Amino acid sequence: GAVVSQHPSRVICKSGTSVKIECRSLDFQATTMFWYRQFPKKSLMLMATSNEGSKATYEQGVEKDKFLINHASLTLSTLTVTSAHPEDSSFYICSAPPPGFEAFFGQGTRLTVV
Amino acid sequence: DAKTTQPPSMDCAEGRAANLPCNHSTISGNEYVYWYRQIHSQGPQYIIHGLKNNETNEMASLIITEDRKSSTLILPHATLRDTAVYYCIPHVAGGGNKLTFGTGTQLKVEL
Repeated sequence: GAVVSQHPSRVICKSGTSVKIECRSLDFQATTMFWYRQFPKKSLMLMATSNEGSKATYEQGVEKDKFLINHASLTLSTLTVTSAHPEDSSFYICSAPPPGFEAFFGQGTRLTVV
Repeated sequence: DAKTTQPPSMDCAEGRAANLPCNHSTISGNEYVYWYRQIHSQGPQYIIHGLKNNETNEMASLIITEDRKSSTLILPHATLRDTAVYYCIPHVAGGGNKLTFGTGTQLKVEL
């Protein structure tokens, strides 16, 4: 089946630094990918829609200048958390739907900002 | 998107059937009922989906009421590895559409 690979699976960074998370569709092309965030014991919340070749669409309340999304190719989307702070610590998950099929999700990235 | 109501938690003995209910009374005519699950600290996993007929695959069965206002996901022989949060999500079929996750049901399978 379709596979979505997310990297890294876990990252610890210092407050004020930036962290990049990659999401790759391994055996299909994805013109659209989605980025979610999940806090402990909470459900997944959509942050933004990543569109290949155009600007990302952000959900209400998500700072586009803080969470930079780049979808430079049909198989790769990146999320960069800029100037990270402890409150940005969370589980970040990407998903990509193959055309006509159900969404597949990455393994998730556990971000801890110290 | 249609709202859903699921019990926050359920327990099931290993080897027994797990029946997870979901109410989706405001589901639209073009929305399928999708079920995903999320094992702790992993990304969600697709399980099954259906429109109005009952569906079965290697993972589970999905029973949808005739009025489509509710559905039940059935894991016929639950194992410890089925312990996860199960999400019922009304959704228009096909790629390119974002999913809206509710709070789901935490299923705990025990010996």
